[in-house]
Amino acid sequence: DAKTTQPNSMESNEEEPVHLPCNHSTISGTDYIHWYRQLPSQGPEYVIHGLTSNVNNRMASLAIAEDRKSSTLILHRATLRDAAVYYCILTRAAGNKLTFGGGTRVLVKP
Amino acid sequence: EPEVTQTPSHQVTQMGQEVILRCVPISNHLYFYWYRQILGQKVEFLVSFYNNEISEKSEIFDDQFSVERPDGSNFTLKIRSTKLEDSAMYFCASRGLAGRYNEQFFGPGTRLTVL
Repeated sequence: DAKTTQPNSMESNEEEPVHLPCNHSTISGTDYIHWYRQLPSQGPEYVIHGLTSNVNNRMASLAIAEDRKSSTLILHRATLRDAAVYYCILTRAAGNKLTFGGGTRVLVKP
Repeated sequence: EPEVTQTPSHQVTQMGQEVILRCVPISNHLYFYWYRQILGQKVEFLVSFYNNEISEKSEIFDDQFSVERPDGSNFTLKIRSTKLEDSAMYFCASRGLAGRYNEQFFGPGTRLTVL
């Protein structure tokens, strides 16, 4: 699976948007882009996924660059509960194993 | 809302002992996974299981590890002879139907401490 690069950490204020970048310059045409997060002392949790088009769900939005070499996870209004490590993961097929990198640790300040 | 459950939440064992970690995946899910996370490190894939057989395993998943779905509801990970370096958080995950996208649902984990 192709590699992803994310910043180690980001800070945000509560109720402000958070934009989490992910670079995946070696992505192939059929790679899915997944985002999972891991809250403190919990198992990972699915956030969103996409292939080519931007996606929205109740948790977040995923903006995918036209060349697919990067993507951005957008949390529209950060809450204290959104403080977690966010992982950007690529898989060759939809159901493949997840290969976690270091992720981005998001700190939300009240 | 359906969820993946894992027992026990914390297991302490002596080096060389066998441990069995138990997971109850979400009902009707078809794909099952074990991951582990050593304290302060990344989440690592161990094994995936589908149709009653291993579909993929990592280098970590050596002969000391085995998985089983003994009764159609439980999914277990056995470590035959534990080592100090097996101390980690072990997460079970399950995924739904074949043929379309389904996210993986993770359990809360079992913390394994090997003394």
